[in-house]
Amino acid sequence: DAGITQSPRHKVTETGTPVTLRCHQTENHRYMYWYRQDPGHGLRLIHYSYGVKDTDKGEVSDGYSVSRSKTEDFLLTLESATSSQTSVYFCAIRTGTGDQEAFFGQGTRLTVV
Amino acid sequence: GQQVMQIPQYQHVQEGEDFTTYCNSSTTLSNIQWYKQRPGGHPVFLIQLVKSGEVKKQKRLTFQFGEAKKNSSLHITATQTTDVGTYFCQTGANNLFFGTGTRLTVIP
Repeated sequence: DAGITQSPRHKVTETGTPVTLRCHQTENHRYMYWYRQDPGHGLRLIHYSYGVKDTDKGEVSDGYSVSRSKTEDFLLTLESATSSQTSVYFCAIRTGTGDQEAFFGQGTRLTVV
Repeated sequence: GQQVMQIPQYQHVQEGEDFTTYCNSSTTLSNIQWYKQRPGGHPVFLIQLVKSGEVKKQKRLTFQFGEAKKNSSLHITATQTTDVGTYFCQTGANNLFFGTGTRLTVIP
């Protein structure tokens, strides 16, 4: 599992509340990613990071922000959760510049009510 | 970015039948990766294809990369119930892009 831990694994929150999901890795990989997975849409990239304090947007970044203050942690924040953000969120890492394969965490199931 | 279309979206097969999923791109791909996601699980890396016309095999799974590096396929011979899941292709450099996946159901 490439030493990736996501927390929490499940969360139910109310519309309008802030939510932060955490991705922790133990192997100092440079690249980290946040995806959301919804039926019929596959895995869609929200944000990714290529180093401490270096992040970039993915295809569905609206309503999300990220931070990476340490190599091992990549945080995803929903500033004001909406029902459309109900989804399964996956964190992934990429092991190196020459390697294009990703290794995923176990996922976080977020429900916004 | 390097986006791919994956077909079919769903596939139901009888156990023992073959299965194929395809990924197609309008642009030349530098490489393509394949993943399997079991129901309730997370995507797991299967293989990477880099060379034009490359064919790789893993037991009953055969992966191909097109000669023009614009398409790829995953073929499973004689499916088993353990093959159930969603299969994704993935491309991209920094921003890794996934196809929409093919969900395989195997009927015993």
